[in-house]
Amino acid sequence: DAGVTQSPTHLIKTRGQHVTLRCSPISGHKSVSWYQQVLGQGPQFIFQYYEKEERGRGNFPDRFSARQFPNYSSELNVNALLLGDSALYLCASSLGGEDNQPQHFGDGTRLSIL
Amino acid sequence: GQNIDQPTEMTATEGAIVQINCTYQTSGFNGLFWYQQHAGEAPTFLSYNVLDGLEEKGRFSSFLSRSKGYSYLLLKELQMKDSASYLCAVREWGEGKSTFGDGTTLTVKP
Repeated sequence: DAGVTQSPTHLIKTRGQHVTLRCSPISGHKSVSWYQQVLGQGPQFIFQYYEKEERGRGNFPDRFSARQFPNYSSELNVNALLLGDSALYLCASSLGGEDNQPQHFGDGTRLSIL
Repeated sequence: GQNIDQPTEMTATEGAIVQINCTYQTSGFNGLFWYQQHAGEAPTFLSYNVLDGLEEKGRFSSFLSRSKGYSYLLLKELQMKDSASYLCAVREWGEGKSTFGDGTTLTVKP
């Protein structure tokens, strides 16, 4: 069975541009979460979506937005990119919306801002 | 909010046992997860604790004390492939997220 898939794997952008990252959850998983991971730190929570609705939002500016589609895939959008947005962006899926479900991570999208 | 503390780095010898500690502060604890992350790869789920006590899964065990806000991950019979970062993550009631520590980088030496 396929795990969580993310695209693209790598991306280079310049300041001020926008970017769209994509995630397909494990088949049957209805919850998708997005995290930002900077080198040497743990993942920082950005968003969680469950059944196409936003269930949680981390401490990120409004330049960050996301959505979940009827097939439970998800997109993360970042506008007006800053140098500090350079990071690994991880998508994680879980079976349902319950808090005790383990999350399964994709391999991430490595975003570099020049 | 939550504070999660883990040692930054640990070193151990192949075949030995190592214990990685995690302390946390939270207002509505609803579970603690351990993940393993190899350099350049995604985190992979190792264990989950929500009640006090020890959960054993092969060479890996995880312990939780809710009253002390403390957990540890125990790795036995260390192998070179166990060299990785180990992340502690806490869930709160009603929160659709896991809050992660910064991870403990374990280096296993021959």
